[in-house]
Amino acid sequence: GQNIDQPTEMTATEGAIVQINCTYQTSGFNGLFWYQQHAGEAPTFLSYNVLDGLEEKGRFSSFLSRSKGYSYLLLKELQMKDSASYLCAGTDSNYQLIWGAGTKLIIKP
Amino acid sequence: GAVVSQHPSRVICKSGTSVKIECRSLDFQATTMFWYRQFPKQSLMLMATSNEGSKATYEQGVEKDKFLINHASLTLSTLTVTSAHPEDSSFYICSARDLGLDNNEQFFGPGTRLTVL
Repeated sequence: GQNIDQPTEMTATEGAIVQINCTYQTSGFNGLFWYQQHAGEAPTFLSYNVLDGLEEKGRFSSFLSRSKGYSYLLLKELQMKDSASYLCAGTDSNYQLIWGAGTKLIIKP
Repeated sequence: GAVVSQHPSRVICKSGTSVKIECRSLDFQATTMFWYRQFPKQSLMLMATSNEGSKATYEQGVEKDKFLINHASLTLSTLTVTSAHPEDSSFYICSARDLGLDNNEQFFGPGTRLTVL
């Protein structure tokens, strides 16, 4: 079956670093997305990985290991505005997005 | 980046009425648009995939006669919730895929919050 697993909730401190993990099982694989979603708003794109390795984009980085079916989103220098849900989504052989349930990140001062 | 709009952003209606939600890709063409529903504190649930010029593909458990989808052009898809009931109250989000990109990224509309009284 197809499955995306990520933690339900995480808490971190302002200014710190947090890593949100995601494991996936999809029928075929055409890349993995990370989206950010603030409460009551639509998701916004953060990153897309299709090859193994780390992609850095400002304070956010995303890592993929295809052999392990594993990805993580790394957020550095956390700010209060980073409090949101972070959605991991894999794409299957039909390029359909398979969504995780999202990780709610709580930032404390 | 590509922009997707949705209209209306909020709608409150009485039980039994029908509600139409529009999804437009403003600066790109999208042969495929997706309709999602999201209940509070839950993840996105794909309802259907809307293909321009053909019938939509509905996910298991989604009633096609209740959620009518029309994708009449490369920039517009509509979702009509027919005979809405309070349990249909939810956040409805559309997304579109930009044909010009090769990473299959989906661009999301701002969402429509439907409240059925």
